[in-house]
Amino acid sequence: AQSVTQLDSHVSVSEGTPVLLRCNYSSSYSPSLFWYVQHPNKGLQLLLKYTSAATLVKGINGFEAEFKKSETSFHLTKPSAHMSDAAEYFCVVSDQKAGGTSYGKLTFGQGTILTVHP
Amino acid sequence: KAGVTQTPRYLIKTRGQQVTLSCSPISGHRSVSWYQQTPGQGLQFLFEYFSETQRNKGNFPGRFSGRQFSNSRSEMNVSTLELGDSALYLCASSPVFSQGANTEAFFGQGTRLTVV
Repeated sequence: AQSVTQLDSHVSVSEGTPVLLRCNYSSSYSPSLFWYVQHPNKGLQLLLKYTSAATLVKGINGFEAEFKKSETSFHLTKPSAHMSDAAEYFCVVSDQKAGGTSYGKLTFGQGTILTVHP
Repeated sequence: KAGVTQTPRYLIKTRGQQVTLSCSPISGHRSVSWYQQTPGQGLQFLFEYFSETQRNKGNFPGRFSGRQFSNSRSEMNVSTLELGDSALYLCASSPVFSQGANTEAFFGQGTRLTVV
């Protein structure tokens, strides 16, 4: 079974400083990994995805994440935070069955709330 | 392309009632999944449908059910509502590979269900 651990429930940064949101995963197969963002009272928006191609993945709004198999990590970074980045972020792993076929089940981390101070 | 559309956006129901939520996926997406989001449990997978068949199911009681129509639209039903069913219910649609595997999921805005 897959699982995801987001190491920080809250992260607070100043505008213009780097952002690091940490995620470790557990998977029996080659995982597909995602980062989603949720603004208050909104649905989830996909930031980026890793699906066994390049280990450094670039997403929208300047975010990127690096897949490190040896560390089972998929941390999300951004060089410079903006006020509009304040939201809740979810690290997600796609459930893979034997043979690498996933059937719709995404396993979510508990979320990291990012606060950006002026 | 229009996104995933969920209706209604808000619902208030009384304990013991039943409720039906609707989801229209992105055009061309044949996989629809449902998730429940609560402050205590986070985001939990309910079930997934592909070509009108339930392919995967999460760990929820039988009061939670769903179906998918030939146009890929999906509904989920919760019977005998309990206070603990109050949550944001999110629907997601995905394109699929030829082998039936999903790629990324695109989420709707959700239906906020309050049970009183």
